[in-house]
Amino acid sequence: EVQLLESGGGLVQPGGSLRLSCAASGFSFSSYDMSWVRQAPGKGLEWVSGITRSDGYTYYAESVRGRCTISRDNSKYTLDLQMNRLRVDDTAIYYCVKHRPGRFRDYFDSWGQGTLVTVSS
Amino acid sequence: QSVLTQPPSVSGAPGQRVTISCTGSSSNIGARYDVHWYRQFPGTAPKLLIYANNNRPSGVPDRFSGSKSGTSASLAITGLQADDEADYYCQSFDSSLSVWVFGGGTTLTV
Repeated sequence: EVQLLESGGGLVQPGGSLRLSCAASGFSFSSYDMSWVRQAPGKGLEWVSGITRSDGYTYYAESVRGRCTISRDNSKYTLDLQMNRLRVDDTAIYYCVKHRPGRFRDYFDSWGQGTLVTVSS
Repeated sequence: QSVLTQPPSVSGAPGQRVTISCTGSSSNIGARYDVHWYRQFPGTAPKLLIYANNNRPSGVPDRFSGSKSGTSASLAITGLQADDEADYYCQSFDSSLSVWVFGGGTTLTV
C-alpha cells in the first residue's frame, strides 16, 4: 500500500523559512515523479512544484518560483520542499503527491494526509 | 481564479443523477490533455476518483463516470447516496502555463 507521510509544517513569520518533508513507502519511489500540491484554507487545489524520478529535473509554479526548492533522496524514499521568503498567501495545507504517467501528462494517484503551513505575524 | 471552471455547488436527492462540469480552453482540456477527477471529504486529503477522462481506479463504483468533449469535461454520479457528499475537483495540464491545473472545486450536497 502506498503511503506518503508529510511533516515539517508549522507557524512561521512572513519572510521566514520552512522545510517540508515527505516519507514515502509501499512503492518503488525512484520510479515515479513526485509533486507538492497545496490548498489554502477553504480554497481549491494548486500544484506547487514537481521533480522527475531519476534525473531530478525540477519545475515550479510561478507563485513559488525562486522561493522554493524541491528535492528528493531516492535512497531514503524522501521528498522535500524548502520554502524561503514565506508570504501570508503561502498559508495552506501542503500535500505530497505521487505521479502516475498518463497518455501525455501525469496525474496524481496517491496523496499524503498533508501538513499545515501557517504564515502569520 | 482557477484555470478550469467548475460550478461552486450542485445538489441532488438520494437516488438521483447529478453532473459536474469542468470547462477549460484550447491550451488544456481542448488540447490533447486528459481530465482527471478527485474527491475530497471534509478534513481529509483528495483522492483520485476518475483518471484519463473516463477510467475508474479499482474500488470506485461504476456509479461514477467521466466524459470529455472539446474544451469541457463532466463527472456524472448516478444513484446518489448521502456519503457522496464531498468536494469534487477536475484536473488537467495547461500547455501555455506549463503547469498542472485544477478546477475550483464543486461541493456536492445530497
